[in-house]
Parts: sequence; C-alpha cells; structure tokens
Amino acid sequence: DQQVKQNSPSLSVQEGRISILNCDYTNSMFDYFLWYKKYPAEGPTFLISISSIKDKNEDGRFTVFLNKSAKHLSLHIVPSQPGDSAVYFCAASASRDDKIIFGKGTRLHILP
Amino acid sequence: GAGVSQSPRYKVAKRGQDVALRCDPISGHVSLFWYQQALGQGPEFLTYFQNEAQLDKSGLPSDRFFAERPEGSVSTLKIQRTQQEDSAVYLCASSHPGGATGELFFGEGSRLTVL
Repeated sequence: DQQVKQNSPSLSVQEGRISILNCDYTNSMFDYFLWYKKYPAEGPTFLISISSIKDKNEDGRFTVFLNKSAKHLSLHIVPSQPGDSAVYFCAASASRDDKIIFGKGTRLHILP
Repeated sequence: GAGVSQSPRYKVAKRGQDVALRCDPISGHVSLFWYQQALGQGPEFLTYFQNEAQLDKSGLPSDRFFAERPEGSVSTLKIQRTQQEDSAVYLCASSHPGGATGELFFGEGSRLTVL
C-alpha cells in the first residue's frame, strides 16, 4: 500500500520553463513533507521541505506547495536548468524525527 | 568524515551467502536509518536507530535481516542466507533530531547483487 504516490514516472521540460512535479499521499498523520533529488550512483540529497502548518515554502528556484485537504503537494522549479535533470522523490513523515516514507520518484529531463 | 560513508559500494554474493554492510554516519548524528531501494523504486524504510537503540525495525522484510549499532555510531546491516530478491541498493542515512529541517543525509549506498 503506497502511502506516498508519484504517478508520473517521468517528465520532460524545456530549459528555462517551469517544471512541476506532483505527489499525493494517503496517510492523514503525515505532518512533514520533503523533496529529495537523486543523481545516478549517488544517494538522495535533500532539496526542500514543508511543514503541514504552511501551504507554501520557497527556496530560490524551488517552491513546494501543500494542499492538505487534497493530500497533495507539488514541487515547482523555475526556471528549469540542465543540472536539474535527476530523479525527484517526494517523501513524508509523521514528525521531523520519525521515519520518512518515500514515493517511487519522477525522472525529470530538462531539454536543451 | 564530512558525509555518510557506506561500504562496500558494490557487493556480489552467491545465493545463500551472508553479507554485512557498514554505515558510518555523520559525526554527532544521533539518528540512523537504513533503506532498501530496488531498481526503479523509491527507498523503502527498513529500520531506525536513535543512538544505540533500535526504535523501529518494522521495515525489515524477514528475520534474515538484522541491524545493529552497538556504540551509537557505526551501524551494520547483516543479511543472512541471501536470496535473489535481496538484490538492491541499501542506503544509510543519518540525521540530527530537531535539526533545522529534520532532513536525512544519505550515503551513496551499497549495491548488493545476489546471483
């Protein structure tokens, strides 16, 4: 039973445009949401997070939006750059110190 | 070291062999997590330590999997009598409870191939 779902296995976006990666979750106990980025042969690296008390968190080109009523979050990258090509994992936990549950990932391709 | 260190990076085992995977977390990080990532999937939670205490082992797939962290620093994940379905990348991550963002810092993983 997937508690964190990323329904798009891959996404291609033109360089300079906006990339939007989506994520849905089923567990209403989740209180903390994160996005990780992964390059081949490397471990995932933390990108951005959001607590359930907020609906938006921004860090440079990256913005995460949270819609608790819909149990949906999204990651916006603008403008998209070639170095953004990677696998992006959506993740969630019941608290900051609890285990983190990951989605299956979305592979983002930034096209020149 | 500056980051989470895992060894070996690659391990090939014959079915039925025992393997041990080591994780050296970031110095001072109290929490340590093990995840299993199969090809094309996201990381799946295996187990979690806070210092030397194993607080959650609900993700360990069978009793062939065992993890320890005896001194609250280095951790070892042991898999006994390996099976082909154990082939995956095993990721270790550490974190500092109550840190600014609570995020996990991952190592590069140990890729296990069982023949």
